[in-house]
Amino acid sequence: EVQLVQSGAEVKKPGESLKISCKGSGYSFTSYWIGWVRQMPGKGLEWMGIIYPGDSDTRYSPSFQGQVTISADKSISTAYLQWSSLKASDTAMYYCARLKLVGAIAGYFDYWGQGTLVTVSS
Amino acid sequence: DIQMTQSPSSLSASVGDRVTITCRASQSISSYLNWYQQKPGKAPKLLIYAASSLQSGVPSRFSGSGSGTDFTLTISSLQPEDFATYYCQQSYSTLLFIFGPGTKVDIK
Repeated sequence: EVQLVQSGAEVKKPGESLKISCKGSGYSFTSYWIGWVRQMPGKGLEWMGIIYPGDSDTRYSPSFQGQVTISADKSISTAYLQWSSLKASDTAMYYCARLKLVGAIAGYFDYWGQGTLVTVSS
Repeated sequence: DIQMTQSPSSLSASVGDRVTITCRASQSISSYLNWYQQKPGKAPKLLIYAASSLQSGVPSRFSGSGSGTDFTLTISSLQPEDFATYYCQQSYSTLLFIFGPGTKVDIK
């Protein structure tokens, strides 16, 4: 059974750093891209970026380039999303999801993690 | 950049109603369009991929159609468990996956 299990909720202060995780199981972790999606309180879904754990190829949405860092450790089947200096506006639910490719460039997110709630408040 | 719009932004419907949600892309995206359902407090769930392919395990009352710039998600007979927010997502741009703003379906 394919599963993506995310790390638990975090409460941080502005300016602090944070790294949240997404552990995959039940499939070949290095053969599928993993994406990250933000959902701010009461708002819609925003695609942040994706990583291919096989070779760490990473692509970012222009809206999030430079704001976050996506990484992966294939030895433990885990992808990460990190911030070096959090802002209150980073308060949101963050989801990871597995990307099923259709051809070389298109695809869909077929399995999702349960979400990690990040709260940034002074 | 390709922009996605959805209409309506919300709708009220009754159990048994036929519901249609529209998604429009700012330029042609062929059939690279996916639909997701999200219930409050839950992760999104894939319903339809490649515009009209039903994801395994999704009830057949859900269907998708369209190509180019205009797409629709249809629920043939709305069930109580279908009250949720629905998002379209384009995957035409190389490894860029933009979501539409969502359509909330609630009980009339």
